[in-house]
Amino acid sequence: EIVLTQSPDFQSVTPKEKVTITCRASQSVGTSLHWYQQKPDQSPKLLIKYASQSFSGVPSRFSGSGSGTEFTLTINSLEGEDAATYYCHQSSTLPYTFGQGTKLEIK
Amino acid sequence: EVQLLESGGGLVQPGGSLRLSCAASGFTFSTYAMSWVRQAPGKGLKWVLSISSNGESTYLVDSVKGRFTISRDNSKNTLYLQMNSLRAEDTAVYYCTKSYGMDAWGQGTTVTVSS
Repeated sequence: EIVLTQSPDFQSVTPKEKVTITCRASQSVGTSLHWYQQKPDQSPKLLIKYASQSFSGVPSRFSGSGSGTEFTLTINSLEGEDAATYYCHQSSTLPYTFGQGTKLEIK
Repeated sequence: EVQLLESGGGLVQPGGSLRLSCAASGFTFSTYAMSWVRQAPGKGLKWVLSISSNGESTYLVDSVKGRFTISRDNSKNTLYLQMNSLRAEDTAVYYCTKSYGMDAWGQGTTVTVSS
């Protein structure tokens, strides 16, 4: 099973700050790595697919990069509505797996 | 607009069964793989099962093999999850998701396994 490890687990940030979340895979997933945002009491929503492809309707401040075993989700100029838990997910190898999540708190 | 609407959750005793449904609309259901993802209370996301667009291939996490079955009816635009021999650790919100990249999610249906 491919283990996805996100860092940090938690981050408290101020509006307009730039945030970087890292997802490391225990073995290569190519670019089959996706990022989701989940706000409290809501379903997850896709932000970035296949490592760097922005999903339709997602604000341009969200971007993704990486390949192989190391990936990054970047949020430029954080807004208050970005308070949420963020998950990475790999669809390269069965069983598909998720990272443990990164919770962003807005100060 | 893509919509996924799960139903069928509830309270069930250990060893019992439930059948979840996911009604899809707003896209050509028969051309997309579909999956079920669950989230235990206060925990993260966990992939459980996937099914190919034509239903011929299914994939399951080891912990549900022999107990859960995924199926679909492309004529009804509906995805199913048959859950047997339920355990306390199956307690979770179950989400229906579209495609392997999970670009759409339902609102979830809650399954509670408890005596």
